[in-house]
Amino acid sequence: KAGVTQTPRYLIKTRGQQVTLSCSPISGHRSVSWYQQTPGQGLQFLFEYFSETQRNKGNFPGRFSGRQFSNSRSEMNVSTLELGDSALYLCASSLVGEAHNEQFFGPGTRLTVL
Amino acid sequence: QQPVQSPQAVILREGEDAVINCSSSKALYSVHWYRQKHGEAPVFLMILLKGGEQKGHDKISASFNEKKQQSSLYLTASQLSYSGTYFCGTEMGGGSNYKLTFGKGTLLTVNP
Repeated sequence: KAGVTQTPRYLIKTRGQQVTLSCSPISGHRSVSWYQQTPGQGLQFLFEYFSETQRNKGNFPGRFSGRQFSNSRSEMNVSTLELGDSALYLCASSLVGEAHNEQFFGPGTRLTVL
Repeated sequence: QQPVQSPQAVILREGEDAVINCSSSKALYSVHWYRQKHGEAPVFLMILLKGGEQKGHDKISASFNEKKQQSSLYLTASQLSYSGTYFCGTEMGGGSNYKLTFGKGTLLTVNP
């Protein structure tokens, strides 16, 4: 089975721009979670989607948004980029997104905001 | 509420044992453990659920003290491949309230 894929792998943007990141989960997985990883804060939960619905959201400003398509692929968008948004963005898929389901992480998208 | 991991870093020689702890101030439904090697994605190690159910790799052992809201990951007879950053992720709701909150990680270095 193919793993979780994320595109693009690297991205450089300037302040004020917006960016869209894409995540394709493992085939059959219906839950996709997004995380921001930085050296100081570690892995921080952004949001989780299941069957095209956002079920849970972390403590991030409204500039961070996402969506999930009928094929379970997910995108996240960050508008009006700030320097502090520079981070590794990881998505993870799981079968149905419940406590007994392990998450499978993608390789991440490294976003640099200049 | 972010769980607290301890220690922050540990250095071992091959063959030695280590314990990594994860504590939460909130009642937990499950604890998940992941290992991330430098430049790679986190990889699943273990899930421990309220009530005693566990799921994970045979060579990894862990415990979950529901009264204290603490989990420990036991790494025995460490190998060089065990090096990496270990994260615990805690989940409070169960069911469809699926939101993992990760600790800041424990950096484990295993030397020959």
